[in-house]
Amino acid sequence: EDQVTQSPEALRLQEGESSSLNCSYTVSGLRGLFWYRQDPGKGPEFLFTLYSAGEEKEKERLKATLTKKESFLHITAPKPEDSATYLCAVQDSSSSNTGKLIFGQGTTLQVKP
Amino acid sequence: DAGITQSPRHKVTETGTPVTLRCHQTENHRYMYWYRQDPGHGLRLIHYSYGVKDTDKGEVSDGYSVSRSKTEDFLLTLESATSSQTSVYFCATQPGVAKNIQYFGAGTRLSVL
Repeated sequence: EDQVTQSPEALRLQEGESSSLNCSYTVSGLRGLFWYRQDPGKGPEFLFTLYSAGEEKEKERLKATLTKKESFLHITAPKPEDSATYLCAVQDSSSSNTGKLIFGQGTTLQVKP
Repeated sequence: DAGITQSPRHKVTETGTPVTLRCHQTENHRYMYWYRQDPGHGLRLIHYSYGVKDTDKGEVSDGYSVSRSKTEDFLLTLESATSSQTSVYFCATQPGVAKNIQYFGAGTRLSVL
């Protein structure tokens, strides 16, 4: 059974203090791993898709990496506006015709000025 | 912004009453999804559609039905609402198989009293 586990559940950082969020996954065949950002009261907003181990993608202060068992979302010198819940999801290769995603429970990041 | 509108945005109803939530998209995306989001459970797939009149169940489909009579509209119906269906409901769309990024609406907060 496909499974996604995110850690930590919550993370508090000072502005400028870099850190990483973890997403561990178990799938029979990975078609894609997705990172989303969710602000309170809003829907998830797409950040990155990673397709194969060793792949990396960057956007501003965020960098996502992928191995065969996990993905990391690295946050460099975060700012208060980076505060949000970050969601990880995987798509199994058997779900390629349906697009079905399995989500982790998310990591809630708070960045204090 | 994938042009997804969910209505209503908030609803309070009583146990045993029928409820219909609407998702409308303007992007002509093939796939549409209904998720629920609850504390401790993350996003869970209720039902999805891979074309007009083509729908299938997700992992938490009991007590829910869906319909898609037009590409742009995907309806979620709670035939007889229960307190366990109190949740935040999100609609998502995906362009197609090759472009497998899901875009989310703003959500509907449903309270069943």
